[in-house]
Amino acid sequence: QKEVEQNSGPLSVPEGAIASLNCTYSDRGSQSFFWYRQYSGKSPELIMSIYSNGDKEDGRFTAQLNKASQYVSLLIRDSQPSDSATYLCAVNRSGGTSYGKLTFGQGTILTVHP
Amino acid sequence: EPEVTQTPSHQVTQMGQEVILRCVPISNHLYFYWYRQILGQKVEFLVSFYNNEISEKSEIFDDQFSVERPDGSNFTLKIRSTKLEDSAMYFCASQTSGIDTQYFGPGTRLTVL
Repeated sequence: QKEVEQNSGPLSVPEGAIASLNCTYSDRGSQSFFWYRQYSGKSPELIMSIYSNGDKEDGRFTAQLNKASQYVSLLIRDSQPSDSATYLCAVNRSGGTSYGKLTFGQGTILTVHP
Repeated sequence: EPEVTQTPSHQVTQMGQEVILRCVPISNHLYFYWYRQILGQKVEFLVSFYNNEISEKSEIFDDQFSVERPDGSNFTLKIRSTKLEDSAMYFCASQTSGIDTQYFGPGTRLTVL
């Protein structure tokens, strides 16, 4: 079983639609969860962080965390062509012998078409 | 806004040569990381560094790799004898605490010929 798994994509949505990105993780000791956006050839850029169960909203982005189901999601409302990128789910255990190591999923490519 | 910087942006080297990749983390951060991303693959953890020592390292981080914080600002990754399979983007990241957000530098593209 992969440590962090994302919906495989690619995902294509029309401009103005909601894009839904999903991620599951295997380590129940995970404590913090991140969504990064990565444009081709660039470094990961933080979109959202979430630490406790429930929803967290920031502008057009909503992250959802369900630790019991080991599931994290990202919703992008009113998708724009500039949102077209690869979205990376990253999970941090940070406890015991682990000092903040991020484990990444393979990424989901999102394309927003006009 | 403070940011992580990395130099060089692109490094080309011959197989077997040593390379040093440099990073300047955000100034008040205490935890430092190196990750790599082979083209088309996921971002992989290499090593974490805290309180002037390695906290954790991955299986990738073998004896050919080393890290150093030679002064109060720089954080370096050295590959002693590069292999073709070391060709990748190398990202440095830093954070204030072990569970906080990690901020990534722009990366160094390493090409081993």
